[in-house]
Amino acid sequence: TQLLEQSPQFLSIQEGENLTVYCNSSSVFSSLQWYRQEPGEGPVLLVTVVTGGEVKKLKRLTFQFGDARKDSSLHITAAQPGDTGLYLCAGARNAGNMLTFGGGTRLMVKP
Amino acid sequence: GAGVSQSPRYKVAKRGQDVALRCDPISGHVSLFWYQQALGQGPEFLTYFQNEAQLDKSGLPSDRFFAERPEGSVSTLKIQRTQQEDSAVYLCASSWEGYGYTFGSGTRLTVV
Repeated sequence: TQLLEQSPQFLSIQEGENLTVYCNSSSVFSSLQWYRQEPGEGPVLLVTVVTGGEVKKLKRLTFQFGDARKDSSLHITAAQPGDTGLYLCAGARNAGNMLTFGGGTRLMVKP
Repeated sequence: GAGVSQSPRYKVAKRGQDVALRCDPISGHVSLFWYQQALGQGPEFLTYFQNEAQLDKSGLPSDRFFAERPEGSVSTLKIQRTQQEDSAVYLCASSWEGYGYTFGSGTRLTVV
């Protein structure tokens, strides 16, 4: 059983569409991170959110941490084929401690 | 180095063989983590070092798995008597402090 549940597991969309990926848990985390992973490579950190209700933007990506620090969302505006990959959320109980990962959302953006 | 380096990138082992996977973290990074990632899944925690001290090994699936970091830099994950269910990508990550991990590219282990 995943401590962090991601949805959807798979998403196939056309270039230019918007999408949202959700990461939910019954546990409280001190921080939550989002990673993107391409085939044959390790996950690459996109953002870390720490404060409940925090919103961070990274170009066309918007990340939000829930008020209760139990959930998070990633919204992509005007998706591009280069956004294709596996998106992973990961929560930490304390700074420097191990991360618990969600099962991932596999995104495919078709040109 | 500039990033986390893992070797080998690919390893094919016969069932029952012992394997050793190496991780060279970013210089100066205190924390080092090993994760196991099955195909199409998120990474699952195996073990965690702070310098040379192994602070958490609760994720190691059996006593066939052993990790060490004797000088607080390079780490080795050893799997004895490999079994087919050990087939996965083994990821290493390092962190200086705080929240950001830098992952290596992983070692893909296939047990045949």
